[in-house]
Amino acid sequence: NAGVTQTPKFQVLKTGQSMTLQCAQDMNHEYMSWYRQDPGMGLRLIHYSVGAGITDQGEVPNGYNVSRSTTEDFPLRLLSAAPSQTSVYFCASSYKQEAYEQYFGPGTRLTVT
Amino acid sequence: SQQGEEDPQALSIQEGENATMNCSYKTSINNLQWYRQNSGRGLVHLILIRSNEREKHSGRLRVTLDTSKKSSSLLITASRAADTASYFCATDADFGNEKLTFGTGTRLTIIP
Repeated sequence: NAGVTQTPKFQVLKTGQSMTLQCAQDMNHEYMSWYRQDPGMGLRLIHYSVGAGITDQGEVPNGYNVSRSTTEDFPLRLLSAAPSQTSVYFCASSYKQEAYEQYFGPGTRLTVT
Repeated sequence: SQQGEEDPQALSIQEGENATMNCSYKTSINNLQWYRQNSGRGLVHLILIRSNEREKHSGRLRVTLDTSKKSSSLLITASRAADTASYFCATDADFGNEKLTFGTGTRLTIIP
């Protein structure tokens, strides 16, 4: 199994540009989530999904959209990038919800200039 | 807002010594998890302890949970250079909202 994969690994955007961060898992996990990690702030939940067709907001959802059309994929879209969205983004999945071990992808380092 | 707060923020010890990190949280929880993050990598799950458990072991790791004090500790015995990493606690709050909330982490450095 590849586990959780994320692309790209690095990305530089200009303010106002949009892009999609890709996340895929091959473990047939129902639950997937997106976090951002900023220095000194730990991980903060952006959006999550408890299954295909179902998504919900986390702690910091503004400026981001998600969809879950398949069990495997959970892309994160930045609608109009802002410097405040400079961060490292992690996708995670688990068998069910948070009571289970979360499997994390390697992360995407995003810089918005 | 952060549910968990790790203490200390940074810790440096000699190889072979034991390392202890603490996590405090604010609300009642269903379970608490510890994760490790090597520099530039994703988080890796270490151990999960449920609210009705007081202590759990996994190899050189020992986790305790005191729900009356809303705190947990992670002990790494006989530390190795490969244990150098950041360690995060994560809680699954027990108020109907089951989102996982991470602390700010402890940066552990093992000096060879």
